[in-house]
Amino acid sequence: TQLLEQSPQFLSIQEGENLTVYCNSSSVFSSLQWYRQEPGEGPVLLVTVVTGGEVKKLKRLTFQFGDARKDSSLHITAAQPGDTGLYLCAVRAGGTSYGKLTFGQGTILTVHP
Amino acid sequence: DTEVTQTPKHLVMGMTNKKSLKCEQHMGHRAMYWYKQKAKKPPELMFVYSYEKLSINESVPSRFSPECPNSSLLNLHLHALQPEDSALYLCASSLSGPGGSGNTIYFGEGSWLTVV
Repeated sequence: TQLLEQSPQFLSIQEGENLTVYCNSSSVFSSLQWYRQEPGEGPVLLVTVVTGGEVKKLKRLTFQFGDARKDSSLHITAAQPGDTGLYLCAVRAGGTSYGKLTFGQGTILTVHP
Repeated sequence: DTEVTQTPKHLVMGMTNKKSLKCEQHMGHRAMYWYKQKAKKPPELMFVYSYEKLSINESVPSRFSPECPNSSLLNLHLHALQPEDSALYLCASSLSGPGGSGNTIYFGEGSWLTVV
């Protein structure tokens, strides 16, 4: 069983469309992170959400943390070809497992011109 | 400077070779990590070093041997690898060790390893 269930796994859309990626779990987290990874690069942190119900905006990207801190979503408005990449949600373990960043399965987004 | 530098970018090695991947950061970070990533899959944690001591080993086979010579450097020594070990190997770092769970993890661009 995956700690983080991410969906959809693949998304192929046309430029200008909107999309939403979901990250769900049965566990409660103190924080959750979203990364984007472009081909040939390492993952780059987009945002960290820490408060239940929190909404953060990063230009055309809107991130939401569920009220119960078990799930999160990433919404992209008017997608552009430059948004193409692998989107990953992730949570950090604490205590003796500190440093273990566990990722969801990822969403491969392709935005066609 | 929020850079984690990895070398080499690409490595092709035979199953009997011994090679090393290198990682460097000058951000004063005290936690460093090795992740392995297969194509179209999320990164999987291999090792965590905290204050130059190995704190997490995710049951990685002994043909992978990490080394942390100092707080800025992290190596991954490779010996007798198998073709299925071909993957992108990512190094990462974060500010502090245990207790600093809110710190950002910064990733390098990765080293593409092909075992033939």
